[in-house]
Amino acid sequence: DAGVTQSPTHLIKTRGQQVTLRCSPKSGHDTVSWYQQALGQGPQFIFQYYEEEERQRGNFPDRFSGHQFPNYSSELNVNALLLGDSALYLCASSLFSLRGGVEAFFGQGTRLTVV
Amino acid sequence: AQSVTQLGSHVSVSEGALVLLRCNYSSSVPPYLFWYVQYPNQGLQLLLKYTSAATLVKGINGFEAEFKKSETSFHLTKPSAHMSDAAEYFCAVSAAGGDYKLSFGAGTTVTVRA
Repeated sequence: DAGVTQSPTHLIKTRGQQVTLRCSPKSGHDTVSWYQQALGQGPQFIFQYYEEEERQRGNFPDRFSGHQFPNYSSELNVNALLLGDSALYLCASSLFSLRGGVEAFFGQGTRLTVV
Repeated sequence: AQSVTQLGSHVSVSEGALVLLRCNYSSSVPPYLFWYVQYPNQGLQLLLKYTSAATLVKGINGFEAEFKKSETSFHLTKPSAHMSDAAEYFCAVSAAGGDYKLSFGAGTTVTVRA
């Protein structure tokens, strides 16, 4: 079992550019969530996808968008990059549940640096 | 809305000593609570979770946590620290249904002295 895989592992972009990060969930998982972890802080929830639709969204601007594909993999897109978008972006996968308490499995993250 | 507060951003312990990491939660309904560990340049790994089945939860690597509703706490402990426990630890909470996100604390960095 490969677990949650993210690509690329590191990325350097210039302010104003656009970036796409990719995530393949753990085998058997159908729900993907994205988190932003700034240096020295805890992860912050960006959004969650299930059945190719955004199920819940955190307090992030519309510059942050996502997509989930029929094979459950997901992309995170960020437009008009700002210096403050520099962070570790974590993807987490889980099984669908209407209840909370579901264990989320995290990937190793993509380190995005905006210069 | 649910949230967690981790008391102490950095904890230093001697090898073989007790590890105690503090987490207090704020939730309008009985929450689900988690402890995750993050090693340098890696993602998060689940140590244990509380889902109302038992107030004392045992996790991996010898860690355990006790849910205390009266104190709104979910502190993480390990009786004897090992050098490999040096990492960052995050407490997280999710609500019971309808709100699927994990809300994390700011984290506690643990260093282990030989």
